[in-house]
Amino acid sequence: DVKVTQSSRYLVKRTGEKVFLECVQDMDHENMFWYRQDPGLGLRLIYFSYDVKMKEKGDIPEGYSVSREKKERFSLILESASTNQTSMYLCASSSVTGTYEQYFGPGTRLTVT
Amino acid sequence: AQSVTQPDIHITVSEGASLELRCNYSYGATPYLFWYVQSPGQGLQLLLKYFSGDTLVQGIKGFEAEFKRSQSSFNLRKPSVHWSDAAEYFCAVLGNYGGSQGNLIFGKGTKLSVKP
Repeated sequence: DVKVTQSSRYLVKRTGEKVFLECVQDMDHENMFWYRQDPGLGLRLIYFSYDVKMKEKGDIPEGYSVSREKKERFSLILESASTNQTSMYLCASSSVTGTYEQYFGPGTRLTVT
Repeated sequence: AQSVTQPDIHITVSEGASLELRCNYSYGATPYLFWYVQSPGQGLQLLLKYFSGDTLVQGIKGFEAEFKRSQSSFNLRKPSVHWSDAAEYFCAVLGNYGGSQGNLIFGKGTKLSVKP
């Protein structure tokens, strides 16, 4: 069974803290993605990576950075968390062969107070 | 630019009734299209996908979708809805970000409620 796991289901952080969200996939996928999901706005792409140490900005990269040191792991970093980053964060992965469907983790609900 | 529109934000149907969720896309070439479902507090699960061939595709949980190029649509259907189908449904098209293929462009979702 394919698996994308995220380090936390729920996270509460204070304004100004540095926050790390971790995502691991066990499918040997080349592509990995970070989205944030907010009511009425759907899923918005923050960053994606198509190879180790490679990254591309998505629609809303401001305030975020990413790291991909190993193929299976993709980290999202909030350098200085702010209240407007309170959201659901979803990680996904996909293969570059086949039809590119993405497999999602369960999500991390981050609250910044 | 590619885009996906789901015109219905919220739909309520009675259990046992048929269902159709609408999706329109904007894309120049032959699109790769997807429908995902998200139960409350969960990640997204792939229901079905279309990339070529038969324009009527079957998915999991009894769902199907039909690709209509002339209408730029990929509507999701189910003949008889079950209470467990209550969830949010997302339509997506494969994009092409900065020359790297693989990102999906999602619609804003349609929330389905099921009446007993």
